[in-house]
Amino acid sequence: DVKVTQSSRYLVKRTGEKVFLECVQDMDHENMFWYRQDPGLGLRLIYFSYDVKMKEKGDIPEGYSVSREKKERFSLILESASTNQTSMYLCGNGYTFGSGTRLTVV
Amino acid sequence: QKEVEQNSGPLSVPEGAIASLNCTYSDRVSQSFFWYRQYSGKSPELIMSIYSNGDKEDGRFTAQLNKASQYVSLLIRDSQPSDSATYLCAVNISPLGDSWGKFQFGAGTQVVVTP
Repeated sequence: DVKVTQSSRYLVKRTGEKVFLECVQDMDHENMFWYRQDPGLGLRLIYFSYDVKMKEKGDIPEGYSVSREKKERFSLILESASTNQTSMYLCGNGYTFGSGTRLTVV
Repeated sequence: QKEVEQNSGPLSVPEGAIASLNCTYSDRVSQSFFWYRQYSGKSPELIMSIYSNGDKEDGRFTAQLNKASQYVSLLIRDSQPSDSATYLCAVNISPLGDSWGKFQFGAGTQVVVTP
């Protein structure tokens, strides 16, 4: 089975902190992605990556950046965390999602 | 703005009955369509994909696609309590239909199967 691993299940960060969310796949899949999921808003695409060092903004990229230096790893960076970035963050490749990181910004 | 619409539910279904879920989409260039199941507190899990008009069956699940009418549906036959979850419709928004994972999601339909 394809596995996508997100480094943290729960995170609590302070406003203004720089936050790194890590995602690792165990398959040689070109595509990886980051979504956030909020009640009433559903899943929204933050960033998409076609391959190493290639990225494309999704619907809500503001306040986020990404890094993909190796094929298996796709990182989401919150440059300066804000309370409105409190959410469930879901990473994946192709069709498969990781287990998610629930981030709370206080 | 590309949109994917689903009834939020909850859709209450007696055990053993057929659950019917609908999804409409606005982007005519969409080429591939997916249904995900999401249990409370868990991440979405792919259960069906469909690319051509018509029906596609996989076990108790049948996906139906009508590109002319821009809708895709999911039928769950012989519904079980374990089918109680939120079902998300996802539309691949890449013009070539080949960027797997680049989706527009509906808000999801909650299904409750009652014994």
